[in-house]
Amino acid sequence: DQQVKQNSPSLSVQEGRISILNCDYTNSMFDYFLWYKKYPAEGPTFLISISSIKDKNEDGRFTVFLNKSAKHLSLHIVPSQPGDSAVYFCAASAPSNTGKLIFGQGTTLQVKP
Amino acid sequence: KAGVTQTPRYLIKTRGQQVTLSCSPISGHRSVSWYQQTPGQGLQFLFEYFSETQRNKGNFPGRFSGRQFSNSRSEMNVSTLELGDSALYLCASSSRTSGGNQETQYFGPGTRLLVL
Repeated sequence: DQQVKQNSPSLSVQEGRISILNCDYTNSMFDYFLWYKKYPAEGPTFLISISSIKDKNEDGRFTVFLNKSAKHLSLHIVPSQPGDSAVYFCAASAPSNTGKLIFGQGTTLQVKP
Repeated sequence: KAGVTQTPRYLIKTRGQQVTLSCSPISGHRSVSWYQQTPGQGLQFLFEYFSETQRNKGNFPGRFSGRQFSNSRSEMNVSTLELGDSALYLCASSSRTSGGNQETQYFGPGTRLLVL
């Protein structure tokens, strides 16, 4: 039962343009969402998070939007840079499940110069 | 502040052996979670420790176990290794206190385990 889904395995964008990565979830108990960036054979690097009481959070070039009614979140990267090329994971946690993040399957982003 | 460290970074074992992996959390972090990453299953939660107590456990067989020490450092152990245990094992620490779950987890570089 995939509670967190990233339906696009890959995304390719041009340098300087916007990258939009999407994530859907099914568990209405999730109240905290995170995005991580990962390179092969390395640990995930935290990018940005959002609590369910908000609908938007911004940090530099990264913005996360949360639509609770649609159970959907997205990560916007503006402007995209070649160094952003990596696998991006969204993750979610529920208050009853301490210390546990549930991850999507990841989206591979390629930013072309 | 130093990040999460994991040792060893790479490990090769044979079926039937056991292995112990180590994780040192970010200074001041008391919660340590462990994950397994494989190409087929993605990132899967193994267990979480807080103040030397296992607070949560994922759907893994009893061959997977862990512990946490008084300085918050954690170890995980896999006994009777199987080929399918080949994976990247990640630990993450957070500053989560005893209540709530809205704390960011910061990951270490992982231990790549290959079982032959």
